[in-house]
Amino acid sequence: DIQLTQSPSFLSASVGVGVTITCRASQGISTYLAWYQQKPGKAPKLLIYGASTLQSGVPSRFSGSGSGTEFTLTISNLQPEDFATYYCQQLNSYPITFGQGTRLDIK
Amino acid sequence: QVQLVQSGAEVRKLGASVKVSCKASDYIFPKSDITWVRQAPGQGLEWMGWISGKTGDTSYAQKFRGRISMTTDTFTRTAFMELRSLRSDDTAIVYCALQREDGYSHDWGQGTLVTVSS
Repeated sequence: DIQLTQSPSFLSASVGVGVTITCRASQGISTYLAWYQQKPGKAPKLLIYGASTLQSGVPSRFSGSGSGTEFTLTISNLQPEDFATYYCQQLNSYPITFGQGTRLDIK
Repeated sequence: QVQLVQSGAEVRKLGASVKVSCKASDYIFPKSDITWVRQAPGQGLEWMGWISGKTGDTSYAQKFRGRISMTTDTFTRTAFMELRSLRSDDTAIVYCALQREDGYSHDWGQGTLVTVSS
């Protein structure tokens, strides 16, 4: 199975700043990677797919990059509604796997 | 955007079975597939498996093989996930997600809480 390791697991930041979350895969997955945002009591929401394609309706302050084994999700100019948990997911091969999540809290 | 509406919360005894449904607002089969993901209380996301809307082919996570079944009903636009021999650590919110032709899960159901009690 392909393991995905996110860092950091916890992140505290202020409104208006930018943050970056990293997702590392245990083997190459090309660009078959998605990023999700999840808020308490809600279903995950697709933000980025194909490593860098922004889902329709997602603000442009979200961006994704990477290929192979290292990927990043960057959120610029943090807004209050961005404080949530973020997960990466690989779709290169079955079983599909998720990172352990990164909780982004407001400072 | 397709809306996915899941069945309501379920409470089951240890060893019992549960069947969760996921109804789409539009005709999603055969062009789309369905993925099932679960989340134990306070934990991360766990992929359970996938079913092809076109062929009915399935792929299940190893830990569920032998006690999970996924099916679809094209006429009613509904997907089903049945989990048998329930254990206490099966207590979780189960989500269905629409996997489009690009392979990604763009639309998700609201989740169904499955509680397994002794």
